Amino acid sequence: QVQLVQSGAEVKKPGSSVKVSCKASGGTFSSYAISWVRQAPGQGLEWMGGIIPIFGTANYAQKFQGRVTITADESTSTAYMELSSLRSEDTAVYYCARDGPPYYYDSSGYYYFQHWGQGTLVTVSS
Amino acid sequence: DIVMTQSPDSLAVSLGERATINCKSSQSVLYSSNNKNYLAWYQQKPGQPPKLLIYWASTRESGVPDRFSGSGSGTDFTLTISSLQAEDVAVYYCQQYYSTMYSFGQGTKLEIK
Repeated sequence: QVQLVQSGAEVKKPGSSVKVSCKASGGTFSSYAISWVRQAPGQGLEWMGGIIPIFGTANYAQKFQGRVTITADESTSTAYMELSSLRSEDTAVYYCARDGPPYYYDSSGYYYFQHWGQGTLVTVSS
Repeated sequence: DIVMTQSPDSLAVSLGERATINCKSSQSVLYSSNNKNYLAWYQQKPGQPPKLLIYWASTRESGVPDRFSGSGSGTDFTLTISSLQAEDVAVYYCQQYYSTMYSFGQGTKLEIK
């Protein structure tokens, strides 16, 4: 039974950074991509980036390039998403999500999101 | 980047009736090497994370009622709920995972008529 447990809600000032964690339990952590998806209030889902822990290299949506850093700690089965230079438009619920198949399922490496964290509300306000 | 467009944006259907949601991708998400469509559908209820319903365009996730079905190939896809139940009220999203730059549709809000 795979579970993803995220860190708690954050309130941040504009211009600061936030780091959200996502601890996985059940299953093998290293072989499955973990992505971060955010949802602004009343809006849709927006993919920010993802990482396959065994490789350690993340890929990012162009919109967030230079502002987001996604890492994974295999020793604690925890993924992290850090977003810098925060602005009010970054107020959102941030989800981590784990792929269904492992990275070696085929040549793609990234797949559908079978497991989701509970979400972390990040509020950016002066 | 692949743009996903859903239609309609909102939909009201009577209990027991069929609901159909469409999703169109700006380029094909059919992987020729394995003949799989890299397309998933999610259901999201208020205050909850999204829940996977369908992957590979037509494979139902374990535990998902069989009134949910997915179809389509290439660039055009459909999520069908054969007989709407009250608990199906939610927002539904399609997502492509053909490109490592994942993208979602804008969502379709499904309500009871």
